[in-house]
Parts: sequence; C-alpha cells; structure tokens
Amino acid sequence: AQSVAQPEDQVNVAEGNPLTVKCTYSVSGNPYLFWYVQYPNRGLQFLLKYITGDNLVKGSYGFEAEFNKSQTSFHLKKPSALVSDSALYFCAVRASYNQGGKLIFGQGTELSVKP
Amino acid sequence: DTEVTQTPKHLVMGMTNKKSLKCEQHMGHRAMYWYKQKAKKPPELMFVYSYEKLSINESVPSRFSPECPNSSLLNLHLHALQPEDSALYLCASSHVGETQYFGPGTRLLVL
Repeated sequence: AQSVAQPEDQVNVAEGNPLTVKCTYSVSGNPYLFWYVQYPNRGLQFLLKYITGDNLVKGSYGFEAEFNKSQTSFHLKKPSALVSDSALYFCAVRASYNQGGKLIFGQGTELSVKP
Repeated sequence: DTEVTQTPKHLVMGMTNKKSLKCEQHMGHRAMYWYKQKAKKPPELMFVYSYEKLSINESVPSRFSPECPNSSLLNLHLHALQPEDSALYLCASSHVGETQYFGPGTRLLVL
C-alpha cells in the first residue's frame, strides 16, 4: 500500500534559522511527491512537487525539497525561516493510476516560527 | 491564474435543511475534487470528477450528492446532514493526473 509519513506533529524554529519538515513515503514505482501549506482558516496552497529530474526541487516562498530515493524521503527545507511561515504543512504522494491517481496525504506538521 | 473559488465561505445548517456548496475554476482543468477536512487533519477525498463524469466516490454517505454541470463548475448538494459532518469542505481542480489546486474552502457547521 502507498503511504506518506510525517514523523513530527510540530516543529519549532527561531526566525532566521534554517527549517526542515520531514516526509517519508512508501510507493510502488516512481513517486510523484508534493508539498502543500495551509494557513489558518484557508485552503491548501501548492508549494512544490517532484516528478523526475533534479533531486533538489525549488518551490514557492523560498522553499525547496530534497528527494532521496535510497532513504525514501522528501524533506521540505528553507534556509532562513520567517514568522509568516508558521502554518500546517502536508506532504503528499500521488497514488498509482489504478487507484485513480488520487493524493495520499501525510498527517501534517505544524510549523511554528518564533521571533 | 491558479484560482479556485468556493461559495459560500461559511454555512450553518440544521439537520433537516438542504443546501449546496459551489466551486468554480477557469484554468481549463478537467478534473475536479471534493475533500472534507477536520481541524488540523489532512484532507479526506470524497469525490473526483474527470471530464465531467464521476470517477471516484470514496464511499461517501448519500446525504452528500455531487454534481458537475460543466467543466468549470462543481457542486456539492447537502441534505439531512449530521453534526459530525461539520468540517471544512475543500474543492480542488487539476489537469487530469497533474498538480491539484485548492480553493479556500467552505466552513460548514451542522446544528
């Protein structure tokens, strides 16, 4: 079965420090991986995706993610965190075609950036 | 333009009411989705429409009835809901098999 795990419910970072939000996946075949962010009382906003190619993917708002096939990970990173980055972050993998290609989400990680 | 719009933003309804949620996109996407999301949990897929045809129903109770009148619009008709159906209802759209873009959601409260 395909799945996504976000091992940390919450990540706390000081403003200006680098941040990492972790994600590991389990899929058969090549993974299509996504990161979304959700601010309070808002919908999900697409940050970035990995389909194929470079293992380092750059996305919106200065975020990037590193795809590591051997560790089956797709961690989200940012070199210098902002207070405005505080939000709920979801990693997702696209299910196989015979499952309708739907998104399988991790449980989410709440990022808190303190001044 | 990656905008998906949803109306209303908030909805309060009684258990005997009938109401509808609306979703619209003008990105030329031919796949549209309804999700239900409880607080601080991941979205749960409810329905998928592909080329205006229902392609996935994730065993959703019949008190939720989706409708896709055309390639830009998606409705969710609600009838005889239960208090546990209170949640944020999210619409999304995509090119088939591609990145999904989400609307801001409708926050539903069932009394």
